[in-house]
Amino acid sequence: DAGVTQSPTHLIKTRGQQVTLRCSPKSGHDTVSWYQQALGQGPQFIFQYYEEEERQRGNFPDRFSGHQFPNYSSELNVNALLLGDSALYLCASGAQETQYFGPGTRLLVL
Amino acid sequence: AQSVTQPDIHITVSEGASLELRCNYSYGATPYLFWYVQSPGQGLQLLLKYFSGDTLVQGIKGFEAEFKRSQSSFNLRKPSVHWSDAAEYFCAVGGRGAQKLVFGQGTRLTINP
Repeated sequence: DAGVTQSPTHLIKTRGQQVTLRCSPKSGHDTVSWYQQALGQGPQFIFQYYEEEERQRGNFPDRFSGHQFPNYSSELNVNALLLGDSALYLCASGAQETQYFGPGTRLLVL
Repeated sequence: AQSVTQPDIHITVSEGASLELRCNYSYGATPYLFWYVQSPGQGLQLLLKYFSGDTLVQGIKGFEAEFKRSQSSFNLRKPSVHWSDAAEYFCAVGGRGAQKLVFGQGTRLTINP
């Protein structure tokens, strides 16, 4: 049984560009959450998707948007990239109260 | 406001010694508490969780944690650490129904041989 998978593993973009990150949840999980982890910090909650709707959102600007597909996979989109968006982006899936994390996508904005 | 405090940014222990990592939380409702471990450049692996019941919970890799409601704490312990335990440890709090997790800043654990 595959766990949470994310793609790509690494990504380099320049300021002002747009990026799309992808996540496939663990089998049987219907909730997907996205977190941003800056270097040396704990993960910060971006938003959560359930039944293809954004259910909760953290304190992130509208440049951060997402989508959940009928098969529960999800995308995170970030527009107008800033240098400060450089971070590890973690996807987590869960069926109830427990969230399981993927390996993350490392984004570097130059 | 929901928050998690991990007072120790960096801890160094000798291999074979005991370990305790501290975690204090602030949460308005019944807290669901978690400890995750992160190796360099990797995602987060769940060590253990507490929802209700017995306040001493056992996890993977020989870790345990004790929930103390009166102290708003959920400290992680291990009787004897191994070199492979060197990693970053995060405490997190969430709520009923897979709500968002609020993480602490993390504690980096170094093991001396």
